[in-house]
Amino acid sequence: QKEVEQDPGPLSVPEGAIVSLNCTYSNSAFQYFMWYRQYSRKGPELLMYTYSSGNKEDGRFTAQVDKSSKYISLFIRDSQPSDSATYLCATNYGGATNKLIFGTGTLLAVQP
Amino acid sequence: DTGVSQNPRHKITKRGQNVTFRCDPISEHNRLYWYRQTLGQGPEFLTYFQNEAQLEKSRLLSDRFSAERPKGSFSTLEIQRTEQGDSAMYLCASSPDGAGQGANGELFFGEGSRLTVL
Repeated sequence: QKEVEQDPGPLSVPEGAIVSLNCTYSNSAFQYFMWYRQYSRKGPELLMYTYSSGNKEDGRFTAQVDKSSKYISLFIRDSQPSDSATYLCATNYGGATNKLIFGTGTLLAVQP
Repeated sequence: DTGVSQNPRHKITKRGQNVTFRCDPISEHNRLYWYRQTLGQGPEFLTYFQNEAQLEKSRLLSDRFSAERPKGSFSTLEIQRTEQGDSAMYLCASSPDGAGQGANGELFFGEGSRLTVL
């Protein structure tokens, strides 16, 4: 079993739709949770970061963590064609190394 | 542009040849990471440097792989006797000290070096 499981997609939605992306993780020792966005042929870039259970909002993006069920979600409101990318959830144990463990990624296409 | 720079962006080689990739991190970042990403998968951790010291290596890093960061600045990743299974995107990332210790855990990635082994 992988340490981080992510819905594989791909996901295709019309412009303006609400998008829900999800991951589960297996190790309760994971402390930090992140969402990275990766455009085609580019490196990943940090989109959202959370530490505790609950919601964190940044513009059209909301990250949600439920540590009791080991569930991570990213919601995108009013999705735009420019949101079309692969979304990667990631986590780490904290500490000095900052070694990230990524999910497989979900490819999102927002149709204009 | 002062981001993470990787070269070459794409390398095509024949099985059995050696290849070397270079990464220039963001100048003030002490930490440097190498990841490997295959098609349809997320990045997988390979190795990590704190300045010039290689502090952690993944089991994915077989003895055909060697990474160096001789002066604590740029890093190289060499793959000897390449195999078709080595075909992947090799991503380099850097971060400042303190990232992960209650900081935002952000790694700054380069655009990657794509390896195709024929």
